[in-house]
Amino acid sequence: GAVVSQHPSRVICKSGTSVKIECRSLDFQATTMFWYRQFPKQSLMLMATSNEGSKATYEQGVEKDKFLINHASLTLSTLTVTSAHPEDSSFYICSASGTGAYNEQFFGPGTRLTVL
Amino acid sequence: GQNIDQPTEMTATEGAIVQINCTYQTSGFNGLFWYQQHAGEAPTFLSYNVLDGLEEKGRFSSFLSRSKGYSYLLLKELQMKDSASYLCAVNSNSGYALNFGKGTSLLVTP
Repeated sequence: GAVVSQHPSRVICKSGTSVKIECRSLDFQATTMFWYRQFPKQSLMLMATSNEGSKATYEQGVEKDKFLINHASLTLSTLTVTSAHPEDSSFYICSASGTGAYNEQFFGPGTRLTVL
Repeated sequence: GQNIDQPTEMTATEGAIVQINCTYQTSGFNGLFWYQQHAGEAPTFLSYNVLDGLEEKGRFSSFLSRSKGYSYLLLKELQMKDSASYLCAVNSNSGYALNFGKGTSLLVTP
C-alpha cells in the first residue's frame, strides 16, 4: 500500500512554456501533499505544502505565481511551472501523508524537468 | 532557521557495519526520519524516531538523542544494494513538513 505516482516522469520543454506535473496517491487519501525540488547531488528542498481544498503554503523564496499548486481532491495535487526557464530544470518530487503509522511521507517517483 | 548536518560521503565494505550520523538544530521537534534514495529515484522510508533510544528494524537501526540533537542510522551486514544516499529529515512542526539534510552518499565495496 501507500503508493504515490507522478506524471510525467520526464519532460523537456522550451523556455517560456508551462509544464504541469501530476501527483496521485493511488491507494489512500492524502490529507497533505508536499512538493520538493532536488538539484543534482543536493538534498530535497521543500517548495510547498498542499492541503486538499485550501491554498498551498509556500516556503520562503518560492514564487507562488510561478509554481502554481492545485490540490483538488484527496488523491490528486498538481504543480504547474509557469513560464519555465533553464534554471527551473530540476528533479521535482511530490509526497503524500495521511496513512502511515508515523505520518511518514510517501514519495512519488519524481519528474525530471529539462527546460531548453 | 533549520540546520541538519550529515557527512557527505561514506564508504564501507560488503558485510560490514556502518553508522551514519545526523545532527540537527531546528525550531521545533516532532520526529526524525531516515530515508534511502537510490540515484534518480524517489526516497523510501526507513525509520522514524520521536523518543530517545534505539529503534531496530531488521538490518537497519536508528538512534535518537533529543537533548543532543543527534541521530544515527546503523546498517548491518552491508550489501551492495545498500549503496545509496541516506537522508536525515526532521519534522519541526505539527504540519508534517520535513526539513531534509543534504544526504550521505554511501558506497558499499566488495
